[in-house]
Amino acid sequence: EDKVVQSPLSLVVHEGDTVTLNCSYEVTNFRSLLWYKQEKKAPTFLFMLTSSGIEKKSGRLSSILDKKELFSILNITATQTGDSAVYLCAVSPRGNTPLVFGKGTRLSVIA
Amino acid sequence: SAVISQKPSRDICQRGTSLTIQCQVDSQVTMMFWYRQQPGQSLTLIATANQGSEATYESGFVIDKFPISRPNLTFSTLTVSNMSPEDSSIYLCSAYGGERSYNEQFFGPGTRLTVL
Repeated sequence: EDKVVQSPLSLVVHEGDTVTLNCSYEVTNFRSLLWYKQEKKAPTFLFMLTSSGIEKKSGRLSSILDKKELFSILNITATQTGDSAVYLCAVSPRGNTPLVFGKGTRLSVIA
Repeated sequence: SAVISQKPSRDICQRGTSLTIQCQVDSQVTMMFWYRQQPGQSLTLIATANQGSEATYESGFVIDKFPISRPNLTFSTLTVSNMSPEDSSIYLCSAYGGERSYNEQFFGPGTRLTVL
């Protein structure tokens, strides 16, 4: 059975801290790994990773994939209160199959 | 990327009634899905909405409770039937596959349902 495990489940940091969120997976016929940010209702897309070792970067957020060890990390530097959200990791198997989601990491950034 | 709209954005319903949620994509997509997210939980896939045929349901979800339609490549509905308070949740429509979505699976804004 395909599985995605995220850690930690929750995290509280102060503004300006750097955080690393972890995602490990087991999936047959891996196609890609995606990170989403969920603040209120709908998850919003952050990154899609398909190749090992290539960092994707957007502002203070970055992510990298290790297909040998089957994990990904999401880094957020100089955190702000607006980064408070649930961060979801999901894996896309090949074919027309839906994403498999982890339980998410709830990040709280306090001023 | 493509844009998904959902209606209603929220509703408060009485036990025993039914609610139909509409999902509209602004471009044709290959795949459409319905998820549920209960308070404090991650996303749980309800079913894959298949165009022109019956939806494919995940374990624990049945057609009588969650009938789904997908009459074309841009539209789908999910009905939550004979509701109980346990159905209180956020329901999310999702899609991928098409000229404007590539391999990214994207989400509608969600419908927050409260059942009294």
